[in-house]
Amino acid sequence: AQKVTQAQTEISVVEKEDVTLDCVYETRDTTYYLFWYKQPPSGELVFLIRRNSFDEQNEISGRYSWNFQKSTSSFNFTITASQVVDSAVYFCALSDVDRDDKIIFGKGTRLHILP
Amino acid sequence: GAVVSQHPSWVICKSGTSVKIECRSLDFQATTMFWYRQFPKQSLMLMATSNEGSKATYEQGVEKDKFLINHASLTLSTLTVTSAHPEDSSFYICSARQWGDTEAFFGQGTRLTVV
Repeated sequence: AQKVTQAQTEISVVEKEDVTLDCVYETRDTTYYLFWYKQPPSGELVFLIRRNSFDEQNEISGRYSWNFQKSTSSFNFTITASQVVDSAVYFCALSDVDRDDKIIFGKGTRLHILP
Repeated sequence: GAVVSQHPSWVICKSGTSVKIECRSLDFQATTMFWYRQFPKQSLMLMATSNEGSKATYEQGVEKDKFLINHASLTLSTLTVTSAHPEDSSFYICSARQWGDTEAFFGQGTRLTVV
């Protein structure tokens, strides 16, 4: 069965600190995609990244970086030098090619960046 | 990226009435659309998957007679909440995908309040 676990329900850090959001997933499929989305208070989902299961290369985009490790079924997200505008709920998600590509979400991590 | 538009952004309706939410793909043909529901401070839960021209496939526990989904064209899917009750108050989000593509694009969501 598919499952995405975000063990951190809520995190608070002081501005400019680095913060890592954890994501662990479960799937029986060999071909799948992993995602991270940001949901600000307005509710709209902001797409951050998509990674396919065959690409374990880590990615960096500005202050954001992602660490994908198939050996531990983890896809962690790090924000470097956090800013107040990073405050939001962050969702990790998974979709399996063999299951209609439905995107299944984790429970989300609420991130508070304190000034 | 592709644009998915949801309408209305928010709606208030009286208990017992029905309300329709539209999800449109503006610049691509959406062969598959997904409907999610999000209660306050919770994750997005997949309600149903619809393929254009076919009946929607509902997730376990979702009442298909209460949440009517129509996907009659390649650019429009509608979710009708019938005989709405206060417990149906939630944030509803659609996403759309075109055939052959594994990426889905999300609408901005509809906040439904039933009074």
